[in-house]
Amino acid sequence: GAVVSQHPSRVICKSGTSVKIECRSLDFQATTMFWYRQFPKQSLMLMATSNEGSKATYEQGVEKDKFLINHASLTLSTLTVTSAHPEDSSFYICSARPSGYNQPQHFGDGTRLSIL
Amino acid sequence: AQSVSQHNHHVILSEAASLELGCNYSYGGTVNLFWYVQYPGQHLQLLLKYFSGDPLVKGIKGFEAEFIKSKFSFNLRKPSVQWSDTAEYFCAVNNWAGNTPLVFGKGTRLSVIA
Repeated sequence: GAVVSQHPSRVICKSGTSVKIECRSLDFQATTMFWYRQFPKQSLMLMATSNEGSKATYEQGVEKDKFLINHASLTLSTLTVTSAHPEDSSFYICSARPSGYNQPQHFGDGTRLSIL
Repeated sequence: AQSVSQHNHHVILSEAASLELGCNYSYGGTVNLFWYVQYPGQHLQLLLKYFSGDPLVKGIKGFEAEFIKSKFSFNLRKPSVQWSDTAEYFCAVNNWAGNTPLVFGKGTRLSVIA
């Protein structure tokens, strides 16, 4: 089945640090990848949609300069949380959708980000 | 804009009990509907999906869901739950072409006790 690998699974770092999270589709090509954020006991909130070779589309209220997204290839998208602060602590989940009509989204294991 | 409501925040059932989790969506057009499951410490996994055709959809692990268009609902059911079904369940929707991101409900935590 379709596998999405997300790395790292957990990050603990100091305030002001920038953190990069990688999302890879291992056995399929994904023209579109998505980044979600999940708060405790809440739903997954879409942060941005990333299309290979073009700029990401951010949801309302998501700071583009804070959450940098790069989708350089059909199998890799990265999310960089720049100058992270404690309020950025959360669970970040990437999702990839194979090319083609009506393909389901496949999810990575998520990254637990803790900013001290 | 699309939105999804899951009415039950936490459901506790005994093994062998029947399960029904509610899901209602709001969208002006034709949609695709999904149920995902997240076991403790694991990633989201697709349980089942509805695109078109028979409104009763069967998924993995004995789960099924019924799309009732007039009620904008897509409830998840299982006749007899097992302890291993303990997990978080998310209903999600996107547009008919499948080219918009999934919009998720808040999730329902299911706890199955022996």
